[in-house]
Amino acid sequence: SQQGEEDPQALSIQEGENATMNCSYKTSINNLQWYRQNSGRGLVHLILIRSNEREKHSGRLRVTLDTSKKSSSLLITASRAADTASYFCATDANDYKLSFGAGTTVTVRA
Amino acid sequence: GAGVSQSPSNKVTEKGKDVELRCDPISGHTALYWYRQSLGQGLEFLIYFQGNSAPDKSGLPSDRFSAERTGGSVSTLTIQRTQQEDSAVYLCASSLEGRGFSFGPGTRLLVL
Repeated sequence: SQQGEEDPQALSIQEGENATMNCSYKTSINNLQWYRQNSGRGLVHLILIRSNEREKHSGRLRVTLDTSKKSSSLLITASRAADTASYFCATDANDYKLSFGAGTTVTVRA
Repeated sequence: GAGVSQSPSNKVTEKGKDVELRCDPISGHTALYWYRQSLGQGLEFLIYFQGNSAPDKSGLPSDRFSAERTGGSVSTLTIQRTQQEDSAVYLCASSLEGRGFSFGPGTRLLVL
């Protein structure tokens, strides 16, 4: 069963704008990871945030984690056309088995 | 270095036939996973190998599905008597414990 659920399901923004998507999960986790999947291509690991971390940055990506609310957000700043993809959150519970949500489809308009 | 590789990249088979999907993980990665992604949906966990421990097979949808990992490296996912609902992209991933996963490009399986 899916643990992580992304919100919104789809997001359309103008190039240069920021994109924010959220992920909620149900059980306690070791870490939460975000992945990107471009159309017709494989999954790429973006960022991992551990359960004892609250915020993490990587380039134009900013991830927050609120374990009390069992939620995470991914912010992409200054979006580019190449950011068009589906974004998945995945939770790593105590058994190290990732559970993926259905993803958020992001479209960046030029 | 080389990433996770999978073969074949595409497989078309007839209903009732058996198929074998192969995964070559990143050298040294102790954990190996198989996931399945149906069109427009998220990833569905199938099976997990960690070192020499017994695999976690809890995600396999039926007894037609099996997987093995030889020598702690290459893994093969076998689907017997394929059904049309088995059509999906089968993704393999490997990782070091506690790190992000490296996914392969996947095998697109189409069962006619």
